[in-house]
Amino acid sequence: EAQVTQNPRYLITVTGKKLTVTCSQNMNHEYMSWYRQDPGLGLRQIYYSMNVEVTDKGDVPEGYKVSRKEKRNFPLILESPSPNQTSLYFCASSLGGNSWGNTIYFGEGSWLTVV
Amino acid sequence: AQKITQTQPGMFVQEKEAVTLDCTYDTSDQSYGLFWYKQPSSGEMIFLIYQGSYDEQNATEGRYSLNFQKARKSANLVISASQLGDSAMYFCAMREIYSGGGADGLTFGKGTHLIIQP
Repeated sequence: EAQVTQNPRYLITVTGKKLTVTCSQNMNHEYMSWYRQDPGLGLRQIYYSMNVEVTDKGDVPEGYKVSRKEKRNFPLILESPSPNQTSLYFCASSLGGNSWGNTIYFGEGSWLTVV
Repeated sequence: AQKITQTQPGMFVQEKEAVTLDCTYDTSDQSYGLFWYKQPSSGEMIFLIYQGSYDEQNATEGRYSLNFQKARKSANLVISASQLGDSAMYFCAMREIYSGGGADGLTFGKGTHLIIQP
């Protein structure tokens, strides 16, 4: 079954404590990305990756890091979380090349609260 | 500059009626894709329908159809015969596809909260 898997799904953490949200896809997709969703703002892209070792900033990258060492994994790292990073986070993946218009698959979301 | 505009923050519709959710977009690119996603209260993002900028026919998927008017930069979602289970947030999104290879991520509108009333 085609899947994008995020972990953890729910997390409450304290300000400044480093955390990583993992994302893994089993579809051999080139493209992966992270979004955050906040009330009234829709979803905004944090970082994206067009392939292994290729990452780039999205619209709201401040306070986040990513890496793409393997094709299937794209972890989101919060080095020093702050309360304004409390949000619902989505990982997504899709094919690349001539298939850019294909369906973009989303993970189930990770609810993160920073206190 | 905002690229995707959804002008209806919320809508109430009677069950079994057809629903049109508005979406306009802004791009100077010739090649792009338009998507609609449904987000129920449980939070997951459910893909509904896709329209490519070069597709001549409007996309349809079961009860969903996309009314694509390229000159007006409009990509409205039409849901026929609405059901109680259609109550959710609906997001319009666009992806710009580069001629040299590669593509942007999705740019989302702020969403429309649709409530179907019995």
